[in-house]
Amino acid sequence: QVQLVESGGGVVQPGRSLRLSCAASGFTFSSYAMHWVRQAPGKGLEWVAIISYDGSNKYYSDSVMGRFTISRDNSKNTLYLQMNSLRIEDTANYYCARADGSGSYYNMDCWGQGTLVTVSS
Amino acid sequence: DIQMTQSPPSLSASVGDRVTITCRASQGVRNDLAWYQQKPGEAPKRLMYAASSLQSGVPSRFSGSGSGTEFTLTISSLQPEDFATYYCLQHNSHPFTFGGGTKVEIK
Repeated sequence: QVQLVESGGGVVQPGRSLRLSCAASGFTFSSYAMHWVRQAPGKGLEWVAIISYDGSNKYYSDSVMGRFTISRDNSKNTLYLQMNSLRIEDTANYYCARADGSGSYYNMDCWGQGTLVTVSS
Repeated sequence: DIQMTQSPPSLSASVGDRVTITCRASQGVRNDLAWYQQKPGEAPKRLMYAASSLQSGVPSRFSGSGSGTEFTLTISSLQPEDFATYYCLQHNSHPFTFGGGTKVEIK
């Protein structure tokens, strides 16, 4: 079955960097686009970024554009989110999710359990 | 960016009630609309896609409708396991945007 396992979360100071990983299994990772979605404590869902199946297309939310970079290594079945210049408002549970297709306009059909990022001084 | 306005933000209902949740898009999104259910401490789960297509394994008491700018999620007879928060998502254009959520609570 599809399994997505996020890692890399933790406590980090404002302005610092963190890289999240998402290990995928149970499906042909290289055939699917992938998303990152976040949820601040007690708040709603916020879409963060998407990367196409081959990494050639990437899109970001306005709130992370220029600070976060989504990438993937299809040889390792792993999705990444490099987060730079972190802000207190980036504190959230970060989910990776599989897109229901290979391109850049598909919604999420399967989700990981999330990894918590806390930005605090 | 497309804004998704979801209503109501919360509702109280009883087991067996019919429940309707609405999402309005600030501009047309065709039928590029999905609905998700999230229970406390869990990841979201997709219920509907393409506005009205039921995700495999989801009970048939859930249904979706709409196209363009107005969408609804209906639960025909609320069950105890349906108490959760529901979100719509438009994926017609970037950046994708979620509605603010509707928390369905027990009356």
